[in-house]
Amino acid sequence: GAVVSQHPSWVICKSGTSVKIECRSLDFQATTMFWYRQFPKQSLMLMATSNEGSKATYEQGVEKDKFLINHASLTLSTLTVTSAHPEDSSFYICSARRAGGAGYGYTFGSGTRLTVV
Amino acid sequence: GEDVEQSLFLSVREGDSSVINCTYTDSSSTYLYWYKQEPGAGLQLLTYIFSNMDMKQDQRLTVLLNKKDKHLSLRIADTQTGDSAIYFCAEDNNNDMRFGAGTRLTVKP
Repeated sequence: GAVVSQHPSWVICKSGTSVKIECRSLDFQATTMFWYRQFPKQSLMLMATSNEGSKATYEQGVEKDKFLINHASLTLSTLTVTSAHPEDSSFYICSARRAGGAGYGYTFGSGTRLTVV
Repeated sequence: GEDVEQSLFLSVREGDSSVINCTYTDSSSTYLYWYKQEPGAGLQLLTYIFSNMDMKQDQRLTVLLNKKDKHLSLRIADTQTGDSAIYFCAEDNNNDMRFGAGTRLTVKP
C-alpha cells in the first residue's frame, strides 16, 4: 500500500509555456502533500506544502505565482510551472503524508524531470 | 547553516559494511528517515527511526541514533553492487521534512 503516482515522468517544453505535474495518492488519503525540487548533485529542496482545500504554503524564495499548486482533493495535488524558463529545468518530486501523523512516513512519487528548451 | 548534513561520497568494496553518517539540528524532530535514490528515480524509503529509539535493525540495515549529539547513521552490512545509489537522511518535525544533500555510495566489485 501507500503508493503515490506522479505524472508525467519526464517532459520537455518550450520556454514560455506552462507545464502541469500531477501527484496522486492511489490507496490512501493524503491530507498534506509536499513538492520538492532537486538540482543535479544537490539535495531535495522543499518548495511548498499543500493541504487539501487550502492555499499552499511556500518556502522562502519560491515564487508562488510561478509555481502554482492546487490540492483540490485528498488524493490529488498539482504543480503548474508557469511561463517556464531553462533555469526551471529540474527534477520535481512530490510526496504525500498519510493521515495519522508522521509515523506513517511519507510516500514519494517517482519524480518528474522537466527540461525547458 | 544546513539543517541536515551528510558527507557527499562513500566508496566501499563489495561485501564490506558501509556506514553513512548524518547530523541534524532540529531537536524537535520526531522521526528520522533514510531514503535511497537510484539514478533518475524517485525516493525509496529504506527505514525510519523514532526519536526516542537508539537503534533499529532491519535485515542488512542498522540505524543508530544519538539524540544528544543529533547524529544519525545507517550501516549496510554485506554491501552489494545493487546498493550503489544516493542515500538521503531526513528529519521530520511533524510539519515538514528536511533532507541532507545525499551521500553517493559507490560499491566496487
